[in-house]
Amino acid sequence: ETGVTQTPRHLVMGMTNKKSLKCEQHLGHNAMYWYKQSAKKPLELMFVYNFKEQTENNSVPSRFSPECPNSSHLFLHLHTLQPEDSALYLCASRHHRDRGEKLFFGSGTQLSVL
Amino acid sequence: AQTVTQSQPEMSVQEAETVTLSCTYDTSENNYYLFWYKQPPSRQMILVIRQEAYKQQNATENRFSVNFQKAAKSFSLKISDSQLGDTAMYFCAFMKPLYNNNDMRFGAGTRLTVKP
Repeated sequence: ETGVTQTPRHLVMGMTNKKSLKCEQHLGHNAMYWYKQSAKKPLELMFVYNFKEQTENNSVPSRFSPECPNSSHLFLHLHTLQPEDSALYLCASRHHRDRGEKLFFGSGTQLSVL
Repeated sequence: AQTVTQSQPEMSVQEAETVTLSCTYDTSENNYYLFWYKQPPSRQMILVIRQEAYKQQNATENRFSVNFQKAAKSFSLKISDSQLGDTAMYFCAFMKPLYNNNDMRFGAGTRLTVKP
């Protein structure tokens, strides 16, 4: 266990649904990340939050909407997704001052868009 | 922008043998960090080994070691005495050590299978 918890582990949704992914850590970290992992492609950095402020949006479509209410929680709100959005969504965290230190990852949410 | 390339989508090795996974990267930076992460079927990414670019000595962690060639921008992972539990996806990653830079870039991964 890395201390980063993601729920749900699996999610199946239709293209017209609205759902949310949740990530939680109580490691004292203040930088949190969303990555998208598709088959045979590099992990794609989606969003980065430092101290609840979004510092990176890697040209992600607006149908993905992140929310970071506090340093321990990170959400990814999903609406009107496309089948190509089916992937494993990974959350990660670290302390922002730990330059060059590892990320702590959750086990991901496997998303299927029908 | 930094890119990370893993040219071997899949590899296999016999138990107890040695295997090397390749990784190359592209950057104009002189100082940075490199990582190898392992992702077993449980999907949780686990850090295997970490290298600081300003250190010439190759990092080692038990059966895992790297061959860091800075001039060639190459960062390969060697797994000695392979075990069945080493079966996983392996990702190479790059990070710049800037205060506000939290951008860790990953390669596409290599799926390693250890055969009994």
